[in-house]
Amino acid sequence: DADVTQTPRNRITKTGKRIMLECSQTKGHDRMYWYRQDPGLGLRLIYYSFDVKDINKGEISDGYSVSRQAQAKFSLSLESAIPNQTALYFCATSTRTGTNGYTFGSGTRLTVV
Amino acid sequence: QKEVEQNSGPLSVPEGAIASLNCTYSDRVSQSFFWYRQYSGKSPELIMSIYSNGDKEDGRFTAQLNKASQYVSLLIRDSQPSDSATYLCAVMNSGGYQKVTFGTGTKLQVIP
Repeated sequence: DADVTQTPRNRITKTGKRIMLECSQTKGHDRMYWYRQDPGLGLRLIYYSFDVKDINKGEISDGYSVSRQAQAKFSLSLESAIPNQTALYFCATSTRTGTNGYTFGSGTRLTVV
Repeated sequence: QKEVEQNSGPLSVPEGAIASLNCTYSDRVSQSFFWYRQYSGKSPELIMSIYSNGDKEDGRFTAQLNKASQYVSLLIRDSQPSDSATYLCAVMNSGGYQKVTFGTGTKLQVIP
């Protein structure tokens, strides 16, 4: 099994719908992150969490919310999806220091029509 | 000025040659530097990390760091077609959050 698992792998949804992307990890890492990747814009941080009670906004959090249900689980919600949220979404984890880099999940390709 | 800059490429090299990928960063207090490889449609995979000035070698990969010039590079020796991917440079600052900023990546094409 993968160290960082994202579900679903692909999703097509309609404008205005609520959607949740889920992430779970077996790395035992404290820190978890949600990124989106768009062509030409690279990886942009949406939210990050240092532990279950510590959740912080990233650079592009508008329109998104998160929940850290347990140390191993971090979900991302789009409350009312819009077409410009079409992107590739990655969950990532790291140790408390972050100096060993990130482990990424396999990604969720989200299309909002 | 972008915080982490990379040439988007594509960088084309013949099989067996050395590929040189470059990255510059703007935050002088950055302390940790990473290279990720990302195949099309896949997730980034960490291939190298470097923290001190100089070179760090791991197999066919060498990371080079020059903090005075705010420059980090990745050399891939004996390039193989399987090295064809996008390479992301990432820089971690030394602040309380230890923010990591990613470059937009350089696409490498190794021509058989």
